[in-house]
Amino acid sequence: GDSVTQTEGPVTVSESESLIINCTYSATSIAYPNLFWYVRYPGEGLQLLLKVITAGQKGSSRGFEATYNKETTSFHLQKASVQESDSAVYYCALGDTGYQNFYFGKGTSLTVIP
Amino acid sequence: ETAVFQTPNYHVTQVGNEVSFNCKQTLGHDTMYWYKQDSKKLLKIMFSYNNKQLIVNETVPRRFSPQSSDKAHLNLRIKSVEPEDSAVYLCASNRDWGAEQYFGPGTRLTVL
Repeated sequence: GDSVTQTEGPVTVSESESLIINCTYSATSIAYPNLFWYVRYPGEGLQLLLKVITAGQKGSSRGFEATYNKETTSFHLQKASVQESDSAVYYCALGDTGYQNFYFGKGTSLTVIP
Repeated sequence: ETAVFQTPNYHVTQVGNEVSFNCKQTLGHDTMYWYKQDSKKLLKIMFSYNNKQLIVNETVPRRFSPQSSDKAHLNLRIKSVEPEDSAVYLCASNRDWGAEQYFGPGTRLTVL
């Protein structure tokens, strides 16, 4: 079936360290999967961090980046140097273009220590 | 302020009761959605509503029904709640199919 698996949290890193949150997906019923990273900051709703709809392409936003790798069915989220303000819950997601089939991972809670 | 608003934030009720959750978006979007996030944190689509066209996830029990008065509102009604309905319900909207979705803060339902 369709599913998303991501790094189990919580994850704690120190400010200015690098970060990688792993995400792998299975898309058996979605012909052309779109891949997303969403973020929920404390006290706020889910918001889109980045989206990539074409295999091989890289998305980036707020210093984060992720590459859509169709061969390894992965979409890992990376940042070279995290900040305390990056503390949030990050969700990897998989969907079709019309959002009729849309799957989130379980979320990874990130805490950045100053 | 333009966003997606949900009320209530929390609701506790007993098995068999009826509940209704409200969702309003002030973004001028044409499509709205309801998602259920269960205890395992998986987010699953329940309904999407666009220009009076309702698309229902076939796995959603019939006790759930969306209610819309206009394109800015999509409420969720649960006719007779069951324990497995305990979850966070998220409302979202977007401009059209495939566009970026904006989510509300969610309504946490606890069924005793």
